[in-house]
Amino acid sequence: QLRLQESGPGLIKPSETLSLTCTVSGDSITTNNYYWGWIRQSPGEGLGWIGSVHYSGTTDYNPTLKSRLTIFLDTSKNQVSLRLTSVTAADTAVYFCASSPNYLWSGSHVFFDSWGQGALVTVSS
Amino acid sequence: EIVLTQSPGTLSLSPGERATLSCRASQGVSSGYLAWYQQKPGQAPRLLIYGASGRATGIPNRFSGSGFGTDFTLTISRLEPEDFALYYCQQYGSSPPTFGGGTKVEIK
Repeated sequence: QLRLQESGPGLIKPSETLSLTCTVSGDSITTNNYYWGWIRQSPGEGLGWIGSVHYSGTTDYNPTLKSRLTIFLDTSKNQVSLRLTSVTAADTAVYFCASSPNYLWSGSHVFFDSWGQGALVTVSS
Repeated sequence: EIVLTQSPGTLSLSPGERATLSCRASQGVSSGYLAWYQQKPGQAPRLLIYGASGRATGIPNRFSGSGFGTDFTLTISRLEPEDFALYYCQQYGSSPPTFGGGTKVEIK
């Protein structure tokens, strides 16, 4: 059974870079069976897909975030990481990492079968 | 991107009653690639249904999904106390994947 656990700064200032890490246990992130994704949830915007990554190196990003976003894998630590530059108050949200079964061989055509508990990120000066 | 509209916003029912939740898409969802999630306060969403009608592992059979094209339904045949929660639909047939705004099922 997969377990995912997010970690991050909690509070970050506008214009800074947000870095979040998701530690995966129960399977290797190098498996072909899953994509690894990030989703965020805010009171005003609801649930929103941020992006996904596969061990093959394929990444898929939400077009609205693509210019500021990087998602990558650290295979030595079995972690999935997110980096979002130039944050604003609009990036305040709970950030979830999640696994997506690799049914459609596309990181932007995914649903999410296991989720981390979420990490609250507040952007404020 | 595909916009998903869920209705009603809130459903007030009693334990034992049947719940019917609707999810309407702004355009057809390819191959019925639609999922449903349950979320309780302070928790992450939990996958209930994928592929419009496939139950996820460990999900009780009182949860069922149906629909195709632009209209999808989640049915809870007999509400148990633990079923009172928020429910979201999500399409993954078109990029980017998108979520609906949610339906709250509350105790009447």
